[in-house]
Amino acid sequence: GENVEQHPSTLSVQEGDSAVIKCTYSDSASNYFPWYKQELGKRPQLIIDIRSNVGEKKDQRIAVTLNKTAKHFSLHITETQPEDSAVYFCAALNQAGTALIFGKGTTLSVSS
Amino acid sequence: DTAVSQTPKYLVTQMGNDKSIKCEQNLGHDTMYWYKQDSKKFLKIMFSYNNKELIINETVPNRFSPKSPDKAHLNLHINSLELGDSAVYFCASSQVAGGGSEAFFGQGTRLTVV
Repeated sequence: GENVEQHPSTLSVQEGDSAVIKCTYSDSASNYFPWYKQELGKRPQLIIDIRSNVGEKKDQRIAVTLNKTAKHFSLHITETQPEDSAVYFCAALNQAGTALIFGKGTTLSVSS
Repeated sequence: DTAVSQTPKYLVTQMGNDKSIKCEQNLGHDTMYWYKQDSKKFLKIMFSYNNKELIINETVPNRFSPKSPDKAHLNLHINSLELGDSAVYFCASSQVAGGGSEAFFGQGTRLTVV
């Protein structure tokens, strides 16, 4: 089945720096790649997503890039703020196209 | 109004008991899911229901059984609870079958088996 690898598992940055989280997936047929943010004790919430017909998407301070040939996609957060501290998950559709398969998460800590 | 709601939020029970977690969505979505989040924060898909039909069932013990009385509800019943079942269980729903659109999550149910 689909396998999603996510790196790094933890990331610490200073306020104002940029943060990059990378994911790879195994199924070349996957065509939907969302990113979720989960704050402590809360539910995962979508922050940005990208489909396979697009190479890059940006929404204010966050952006996602997709390289279908290499089967990897990345989340970029610029001008990080303490409220960006959370666990971030990437995901991709499984082979059957029936559910999202998540990476193991990246704990981002932004210190002021 | 809460889009995806699940109850209870916390559940503490003894080994061997049977328990249920309820989930309801008011978004009109066709597909609902159950995910398990373990202590390492890993989100693992357990079940997916589309129009009341089970469309995936990952390597989950048959002690876990999803029940969907209608399109807006997907409950999770667990028999003979074990210590290893302790986790946070999230219900979710999406408009497009197979998760090809945003999945909305419930607030989670923290299950503790003692």
